[in-house]
Amino acid sequence: NAGVTQTPKFQVLKTGQSMTLQCAQDMNHNSMYWYRQDPGMGLRLIYYSASEGTTDKGEVPNGYNVSRLNKREFSLRLESAAPSQTSVYFCASSSKGWTEAFFGQGTRLTVV
Amino acid sequence: GEDVEQSLFLSVREGDSSVINCTYTDSSSTYLYWYKQEPGAGLQLLTYIFSNMDMKQDQRLTVLLNKKDKHLSLRIADTQTGDSAIYFCAGTIVSGGYNKLIFGAGTRLAVHP
Repeated sequence: NAGVTQTPKFQVLKTGQSMTLQCAQDMNHNSMYWYRQDPGMGLRLIYYSASEGTTDKGEVPNGYNVSRLNKREFSLRLESAAPSQTSVYFCASSSKGWTEAFFGQGTRLTVV
Repeated sequence: GEDVEQSLFLSVREGDSSVINCTYTDSSSTYLYWYKQEPGAGLQLLTYIFSNMDMKQDQRLTVLLNKKDKHLSLRIADTQTGDSAIYFCAGTIVSGGYNKLIFGAGTRLAVHP
């Protein structure tokens, strides 16, 4: 099915461990985004990639890195996980505007 | 920068109308959006309104936009238990030459018999 696929769906990490969240879309969208969702705070933009080969910081980039591997894939890496990074992470992609945006199902990450 | 505010909770009886409100600070958004998030799921675009419109109706959904007061609302007629979800208001800002979506904190709608 067409859409945005995120892996894994759930993950538990120990403080200091590293991991990469994967995101892939098959809609030929140029722009891709990583958001985190915390209770009472809505979704906050971590990083975005307007096109293949470019990435930019969003509102809350500290502690994260991203890679736009190709047009389809946009990964988010936590180099040294901290409890403050416990959250639900969403990847999204869009064409020209947000009227055609799609979100993945989310990755629930717990850092203990 | 853009700030989008919503009340956090709304409880309604099945069959009544629900009205979810949102205020925003940046008037440059071309579109304003309503997203729905069901438990354990991602966000689904519910509806959107172009900034030069006052109202948009789509079946049970009515979106009202008051540009003067920077106020957006979503009315759900004949609310059903399946409408129980978190509803996010969102607008766009242009930063670094690109459109980015800014969300409110979300309103949790609970529908009871």
